[in-house]
Amino acid sequence: AQKITQTQPGMFVQEKEAVTLDCTYDTSDPSYGLFWYKQPSSGEMIFLIYQGSYDQQNATEGRYSLNFQKARKSANLVISASQLGDSAMYFCAMREGRGSTLGRLYFGRGTQLTVWP
Amino acid sequence: DAEITQSPRHKITETGRQVTLACHQTWNHNNMFWYRQDLGHGLRLIHYSYGVHDTNKGEVSDGYSVSRSNTEDLPLTLESAASSQTSVYFCASSVTYEETQYFGPGTRLLVL
Repeated sequence: AQKITQTQPGMFVQEKEAVTLDCTYDTSDPSYGLFWYKQPSSGEMIFLIYQGSYDQQNATEGRYSLNFQKARKSANLVISASQLGDSAMYFCAMREGRGSTLGRLYFGRGTQLTVWP
Repeated sequence: DAEITQSPRHKITETGRQVTLACHQTWNHNNMFWYRQDLGHGLRLIHYSYGVHDTNKGEVSDGYSVSRSNTEDLPLTLESAASSQTSVYFCASSVTYEETQYFGPGTRLLVL
């Protein structure tokens, strides 16, 4: 079974609008972490935001926020006031905290976000 | 500034040749990881290390090897390159297993 599922291969949003990128995860580990990375066309992987499984509040970093719904096992990324420079591939990833998988990241297949003027 | 670098950034090789991709980080991170990125698969873990002389296999480790002789470096070796190993390779590091992994710029490898 997929550990991380991103169901939106592509998303389009107009500049200055908000957009939500979906991510669901699958784990039985009570201790885990959820990450979002941005990959622009230049290819590098840029860390955006982190949410721990025990964190009570949703994580926020500037225009990025993570809508964490533990019971639904979802960790959606919300980008407010989209900018043209937000056009990129976005990856959701999960880190589990036990056994042989300690620390490794499981990645979704990504969502290509296009921001249009 | 501390950073993580990869070299070469681009590499073309022939099937059957041995290839080594370098990864060097100056953050003094204990954990280092190698991933490959292919269309439709996201990033998949090849090998990882929790410290000097420690190495572990990831989900796609066949045909690859690593060794960790110091904290800063985790070179990835393709023992006998195959066309199926054409990919983009990313190295990453983190302080502990709980902390954020930071990625290098990637190496594009083409195996002809």
